[in-house]
Amino acid sequence: GENVEQHPSTLSVQEGDSAVIKCTYSDSASNYFPWYKQELGKGPQLIIDIRSNVGEKKDQRIAVTLNKTAKHFSLHITETQPEDSAVYFCAASMKTTDSWGKLQFGAGTQVVVTP
Amino acid sequence: DADVTQTPRNRITKTGKRIMLECSQTKGHDRMYWYRQDPGLGLRLIYYSFDVKDINKGEISDGYSVSRQAQAKFSLSLESAIPNQTALYFCATSVGGSSREQYFGPGTRLTVT
Repeated sequence: GENVEQHPSTLSVQEGDSAVIKCTYSDSASNYFPWYKQELGKGPQLIIDIRSNVGEKKDQRIAVTLNKTAKHFSLHITETQPEDSAVYFCAASMKTTDSWGKLQFGAGTQVVVTP
Repeated sequence: DADVTQTPRNRITKTGKRIMLECSQTKGHDRMYWYRQDPGLGLRLIYYSFDVKDINKGEISDGYSVSRQAQAKFSLSLESAIPNQTALYFCATSVGGSSREQYFGPGTRLTVT
């Protein structure tokens, strides 16, 4: 089955700096790669996703890049703010015959933005 | 009001007890999921359901069972709780089709002593 590795496990950045989280996946059949943000005491929430036919996607201060050949994808947060402090999870999913794929999550990255 | 609700939010129980965690959603989604979150292990899928008549095992179903009582309700049971089932449990929903976004509830923190 699919295996997703996520690094680093913790990331401390100064407010205004950039943060990068990297994930690798094992199954070349995976074609959907979402990123979820989990704030303290809450459930994860989708912040951005990318499909395998796209190399990069941006949404304001966040961006995701995908390298299918190397089987890795990354989350980039620019101009970090204190409200970016949270746990971030990457995930990978395959498209099955019924157009649904189970999400295989990485272990998570605790991001701390210090003022 | 929250679209995906979970009850209870916190529960402490003893080894060997039967416990049920409940999930309700007002999103009208057909697909529902139960995950377990442990530090350093991310989110692992326990069970998932495409609709009321469809139940599937996930990655770590041993020791758990589920019931899909209605489109909006999906319950997770621990028949005989053990300490290594201490974890944060999340319910999630998705609409299916081309959208794969999952919407998570607020979680239930379960402690088995």
